[in-house]
Amino acid sequence: SQTIHQWPATLVQPVGSPLSLECTVEGTSNPNLYWYRQAAGRGLQLLFYSVGIGQISSEVPQNLSASRPQDRQFILSSKKLLLSDSGFYLCAWREKRAGAFYEQYFGPGTRLTVT
Amino acid sequence: GQSLEQPSEVTAVEGAIVQINCTYQTSGFYGLSWYQQHDGGAPTFLSYNALDGLEETGRFSSFLSRSDSYGYLLLQELQMKDSASYFCAVRDSGATNKLIFGTGTLLAVQP
Repeated sequence: SQTIHQWPATLVQPVGSPLSLECTVEGTSNPNLYWYRQAAGRGLQLLFYSVGIGQISSEVPQNLSASRPQDRQFILSSKKLLLSDSGFYLCAWREKRAGAFYEQYFGPGTRLTVT
Repeated sequence: GQSLEQPSEVTAVEGAIVQINCTYQTSGFYGLSWYQQHDGGAPTFLSYNALDGLEETGRFSSFLSRSDSYGYLLLQELQMKDSASYFCAVRDSGATNKLIFGTGTLLAVQP
């Protein structure tokens, strides 16, 4: 069966500090990978998605970046955090088969607080 | 562009039936899906409708009317554990790899 891991679970960082969040998927190969951010009580904002190693599509211009160094690894980074970067960060994956367009599987999330 | 509208909050009592509506505007339509998210947790996939009609999965059913650009999630025999946010989503018409999520409906089940 497939499993998706995210770490850390919670993070408190000062403004201006760097960020690295990691996501790994097990039990599948060549998945589509996604990073979402969710503000408290709000919907899901797609930040980045990747269809393969080294292929990143950015949805929202901001001070965040993403990388996919391995097939099942997706990393979200920032060089300098802003207060507005606080939120719940969720990684997700889906299979590439045509019938799986709507089935995304989410990791447990990282709750980031920028102080 | 594409947009989805859902009520922000719905309240119901245990054992009752509740309907969560979703209306969408999209230039190309490929189906409507629903996700559940408990407070502090990750969203989980519930159902998907590509064609008009009702899809039933246990206590949960999802309905789609493509002519009305409308769908709903029906929860029967409500339980306290059904208290959660529910999101509808459509596939982005310009990119097959993306989902566009609604703003979510917070369902509060009361005893």
